Amino acid sequence: GNSVTQMEGPVTLSEEAFLTINCTYTATGYPSLFWYVQYPGEGLQLLLKATKADDKGSNKGFEATYRKETTSFHLEKGSVQVSDSAVYFCALRSGGYQKVTFGTGTKLQVIP
Amino acid sequence: DGGITQSPKYLFRKEGQNVTLSCEQNLNHDAMYWYRQDPGQGLRLIYYSQIVNDFQKGDIAEGYSVSREKKESFPLTVTSAQKNPTAFYLCASSIAPSGAGAEAFFGQGTRLTVV
Repeated sequence: GNSVTQMEGPVTLSEEAFLTINCTYTATGYPSLFWYVQYPGEGLQLLLKATKADDKGSNKGFEATYRKETTSFHLEKGSVQVSDSAVYFCALRSGGYQKVTFGTGTKLQVIP
Repeated sequence: DGGITQSPKYLFRKEGQNVTLSCEQNLNHDAMYWYRQDPGQGLRLIYYSQIVNDFQKGDIAEGYSVSREKKESFPLTVTSAQKNPTAFYLCASSIAPSGAGAEAFFGQGTRLTVV
């Protein structure tokens, strides 16, 4: 079956530091890949997505590239802010009924 | 504004009682989903529905039931058979399943606590 593996958190960074959150996946076929963000007490919001190999998704300074050869979709940001503190979920969507499979989430804490 | 609405935001239930969580969307999406979120375990799929009057079990359906009588509504009932119901419940919707790149839109969640 499909699965998503994310690096365990929490990740604590100083403001303006470089962020990488690793994500690898196992899936049949050619899945679409997503990063979602969840702020405390809220639902998930789509951060970015990529639908085919070598696509780069980007939004709000975050980027992730769909790497089929390494089955990875790592999230990066060049300079994090305190407002980026949240839980980040990597996810994929494939299969006949298009179920979305989520990773366990990585909590990011950015300190001033 | 289009969106997906869950209510209530907080819900308390006594052991042995059934409780129903509401989920309404005005995005005209065909597919709707219910997830459960526990600390350190990510999101687990409870039930999903691709079309009105049809739904399928997800990975952890035991102790839960759903209905899909209208396109915009997908209520979840947590029954007394659910052994550990305290959790954060998230409802989501998306366009028809054939769109692989289509993202899911989430509600704000309902935090259920059994007392």
